[in-house]
Amino acid sequence: NAGVTQTPKFQVLKTGQSMTLQCAQDMNHNSMYWYRQDPGMGLRLIYYSASEGTTDKGEVPNGYNVSRLNKREFSLRLESAAPSQTSVYFCASSANDRDRWARSNQPQHFGDGTRLSIL
Amino acid sequence: QQPVQSPQAVILREGEDAVINCSSSKALYSVHWYRQKHGEAPVFLMILLKGGEQKGHDKISASFNEKKQQSSLYLTASQLSYSGTYFCGTEYNQGGKLIFGQGTELSVKP
Repeated sequence: NAGVTQTPKFQVLKTGQSMTLQCAQDMNHNSMYWYRQDPGMGLRLIYYSASEGTTDKGEVPNGYNVSRLNKREFSLRLESAAPSQTSVYFCASSANDRDRWARSNQPQHFGDGTRLSIL
Repeated sequence: QQPVQSPQAVILREGEDAVINCSSSKALYSVHWYRQKHGEAPVFLMILLKGGEQKGHDKISASFNEKKQQSSLYLTASQLSYSGTYFCGTEYNQGGKLIFGQGTELSVKP
């Protein structure tokens, strides 16, 4: 019962370095999401993928790219890290299938997070 | 577009009740509620759908007022384990994309 697995759990980068955060789910979910969480700001959606092969921007996509590698995996890439990207990053998945009403409004299941510091 | 939660923080004694509100300026399709303990991932509690259908947790209840575009989470006879930050996530159409509020920090003391 792994659920949603994120790697790494912690990372320190220097400004300008690049990095990819990995996320995998074993629940056969269609939809996957990347959020960042900063103190007092709640969870802000960076990118999401409603199905394999599709990705869409969320609220705060600038400075990030994503890849939905297959149904299980959804990665988040910082091409040139900036101190403003210091945050806790959460990946989530859900069984949502927006083309099928009976499979909409499903809960999101979150990974344990990646704590990223950029100096 | 971010929903507004109130209060921002609340302190309770065990056994007391609390209400957390989530308000939107835009028509809502659904509202999700999650709880996050310090240093952990958010955990799903409840979904409320436009039209009144409710899904979720059997020890915590919630309502969805479509006219006011507001949802309220009711925690009754609070337990120590209820402590954490509660987030509402709002969905404006059937797309699965949630916009989360800033959170309400709940502390339950013995």
